[in-house]
Amino acid sequence: GAGVSQSPSNKVTEKGKDVELRCDPISGHTALYWYRQSLGLGLEFLIYFQGNSAPDKSGLPSDRFSAERTGGSVSTLTIQRTQQEDSAVYLCASSPGGTLSYEQYFGPGTRLTVT
Amino acid sequence: QQPVQSPQAVILREGEDAVINCSSSKALYSVHWYRQKHGEAPVFLMILLKGGEQKGHEKISASFNEKKQQSSLYLTASQLSYSGTYFCGTDPSGNDMRFGAGTRLTVKP
Repeated sequence: GAGVSQSPSNKVTEKGKDVELRCDPISGHTALYWYRQSLGLGLEFLIYFQGNSAPDKSGLPSDRFSAERTGGSVSTLTIQRTQQEDSAVYLCASSPGGTLSYEQYFGPGTRLTVT
Repeated sequence: QQPVQSPQAVILREGEDAVINCSSSKALYSVHWYRQKHGEAPVFLMILLKGGEQKGHEKISASFNEKKQQSSLYLTASQLSYSGTYFCGTDPSGNDMRFGAGTRLTVKP
């Protein structure tokens, strides 16, 4: 009965380096979401997957951000040429269906620090 | 597209009631409510759907006024465990989720 898992739990990187954040959703969940939460602030929507496709990429802050999902399961969020303003907690969530009538199950997050 | 929550913060004594409001400038398919405790991931509280259906598993009630594009979360007889930040989420397109800035609730003994 595993929940949503994310790795790494913490990541410290130097400005300008690329990072990859991983999300393992609950088995069988077709929808997957990425959010960013800066210190003390709300949840910023980044991207949504239904299966392997991303109908809505409008939340990605810049072209340095990209995400993919393979096999309808694992997803990777990649940030290229990281900047200090990218420092935040990146949360992944999954849900059983593609419509918004299903609750989302959140992972513990990856805390990214760009120095 | 982000919904607006009010108040930003509220402090209660155990046993007191509170109402948290969420409003959107766009027509909504549904409204979600989540609670996040410090250092933890958000946890689902309730979904309110167009047509009046609700899904939730906490002793918390909520309303959804489709016409006014507003929702309210009602916390009655608050307990210490209710402390946390409450987020409402809305899905104006039916495909994504936009969360409000959150309402920080503190329940004191």
